[in-house]
Order: sequence, then structure tokens, then C-alpha cells
Amino acid sequence: DTAVSQTPKYLVTQMGNDKSIKCEQNLGHDTMYWYKQDSKKFLKIMFSYNNKELIINETVPNRFSPKSPDKAHLNLHINSLELGDSAVYFCASSQDHSGHGNQPQHFGDGTRLSIL
Amino acid sequence: AQKITQTQPGMFVQEKEAVTLDCTYDTSDPSYGLFWYKQPSSGEMIFLIYQGSYDQQNATEGRYSLNFQKARKSANLVISASQLGDSAMYFCAMRESSSGSARQLTFGSGTQLTVLP
Repeated sequence: DTAVSQTPKYLVTQMGNDKSIKCEQNLGHDTMYWYKQDSKKFLKIMFSYNNKELIINETVPNRFSPKSPDKAHLNLHINSLELGDSAVYFCASSQDHSGHGNQPQHFGDGTRLSIL
Repeated sequence: AQKITQTQPGMFVQEKEAVTLDCTYDTSDPSYGLFWYKQPSSGEMIFLIYQGSYDQQNATEGRYSLNFQKARKSANLVISASQLGDSAMYFCAMRESSSGSARQLTFGSGTQLTVLP
């Protein structure tokens, strides 16, 4: 199936630990993203990668680091996890053929991170 | 200031009726795109419909249509003939040309739609 897949779906861990979430897309898209959805369902961009270049980085703590080994993967590493990191993290991808940004972003199913 | 505003935290509609979910946006960019996504209780984000700022006609996609009123900066989603499976959270989102190659989406706070049998 063509899709954006992220693993794991659920991640329960203790404060202070380091964890990673993997994301892969087989849609041939040139840009990948990480979004955070908080407990109030609000979605906010964290990072995006275009052709292996980090092009945006919102006010995200430097404990979060995206790693893109190739165009099809954008993994999210989180160091020294804190209680406030509990959220659902979504990976997404898109392809902008025309430069007008009219292509939708395709989302993975999300990773629910719970910090104990 | 909020870039995307969804004023209805929750909406109820009777099965088979039509429902309109409101979305207003704020941008000074001449070129932008508006998107609607559906998030059912299972959690995935499903793309529904897109409207470009230069599109002359309102977008339609099956039972979904977008009531685009550019002067009022509104992009309301209309769902016709509601089905029980339409019960979900609906998000309006915008991509501005000023985001450059970032192409990020800015989301509204969402509207929880419940379809009643």
C-alpha cells in the first residue's frame, strides 16, 4: 500500500528517557513533516524536511531532533523526555509539483506518546 | 492573531441532513491554499478537500463542498446527506505562499461533528 507509515503507534515511557519515532513514505514526495497534537487536539508544525534539508524549525526544544537518512524517511528523536511531551505526533508528506503549494499533505496514523 | 478560526467546538446534525462547518482565515498573502481534514475517533488524519486562493469555482469532492468567500476570508465545509460515519473532528488548515519552501499547514482548533441517527 502507498502511504505514510510511522512506528510505533503507541509509546509509553518514563520521564528522562530518550526515544525515537520512525516515519517512512512511499509516495515519492519531496517534503516530510512532523506535527504535534496536544491534549486539546490542537495541531502544530514542528519540523519539515525538503530534499534532506531542514527548512523550518518552530519553537521546539532542542531535545527534539529530526533525522532524515533519505528522502523517504524522517525520524524524530527525543532526548530527556518530559511530562509535557505527552501528545500524539504525526508524520506527513507532500509533493509540490507547481510551487503553488496546492498538494495536500498525507498523514501517518500518529504515534501516541505517554510519559509516566 | 489566529490565522485559522473555527468557532464551532461541537456540532450536531441529523443523519441525511446537510451541515456546514465554519472556517475563517487571516492572511495577507495573495496566494494561499485552504484544506479540510477529517480525524475520526481512531485518530488518523484524512484529507477531504482543497481550495486555492485563485480558484474561481468552489471546490467539490463527492458529498463535500467548500463554500469559499474570499472577500469575507471564509472557507466553510459543507457536508451533504450526513452519514453516521461522518462523526469526527474536522480541521480547517491553510498554507501560505510566504511559508516558502516550508509549505507548512496552519490548523484551526477543529470542530467535533456528531451525526445523530
